[in-house]
Amino acid sequence: GNSVTQMEGPVTLSEEAFLTINCTYTATGYPSLFWYVQYPGEGLQLLLKATKADDKGSNKGFEATYRKETTSFHLEKGSVQVSDSAVYFCALPSGAGSYQLTFGKGTKLSVIP
Amino acid sequence: DAGVIQSPRHEVTEMGQEVTLRCKPISGHDYLFWYRQTMMRGLELLIYFNNNVPIDDSGMPEDRFSAKMPNASFSTLKIQPSEPRDSAVYFCASSHERAYDTGELFFGEGSRLTVL
Repeated sequence: GNSVTQMEGPVTLSEEAFLTINCTYTATGYPSLFWYVQYPGEGLQLLLKATKADDKGSNKGFEATYRKETTSFHLEKGSVQVSDSAVYFCALPSGAGSYQLTFGKGTKLSVIP
Repeated sequence: DAGVIQSPRHEVTEMGQEVTLRCKPISGHDYLFWYRQTMMRGLELLIYFNNNVPIDDSGMPEDRFSAKMPNASFSTLKIQPSEPRDSAVYFCASSHERAYDTGELFFGEGSRLTVL
């Protein structure tokens, strides 16, 4: 089945710093790719997605570009805020036509003032 | 609209006791998923249902775990007997048929289980 590998955390940044969280994938074909975010004490929620190669997903100042050449979908934000402190998960469908998602292990981000 | 509702939010029990976790999916969603989250293993899919029918339970760790979905608005995950290694946060999520394209699973807030 499909799989995803994301960088280990935790990541600690100062407010307004630049953020990159790396994610690479192994998949059959070109499935949609997703980033989920989990704020403290809450469930996961979809942050952004990209459905085909070279697509850029964006939301809340976060961006990620679907790069099939490097099988990557890195999450970036130009200026993080304390409120961005959360755990971020890269995800993709578990297989062709699958309705279930496979998630990376998560990267915990802490932003300090 | 109400989201996915899970209960209890927190459960502390002793080894050997039965634990039942409950989930109410979003109305109209055809798929329901149970995930387990631990520091060591991350987020693991335990089982998922489509139209109340279990489709894939290969993630259920052992026979002590069982899940049911008697109707479209209710599911349970039961652990009997519970063991300390079952301590984790258990999430329920639901989605509609287009999840493969949209990727949008809607998660509950989770049930944090501690087995002493």
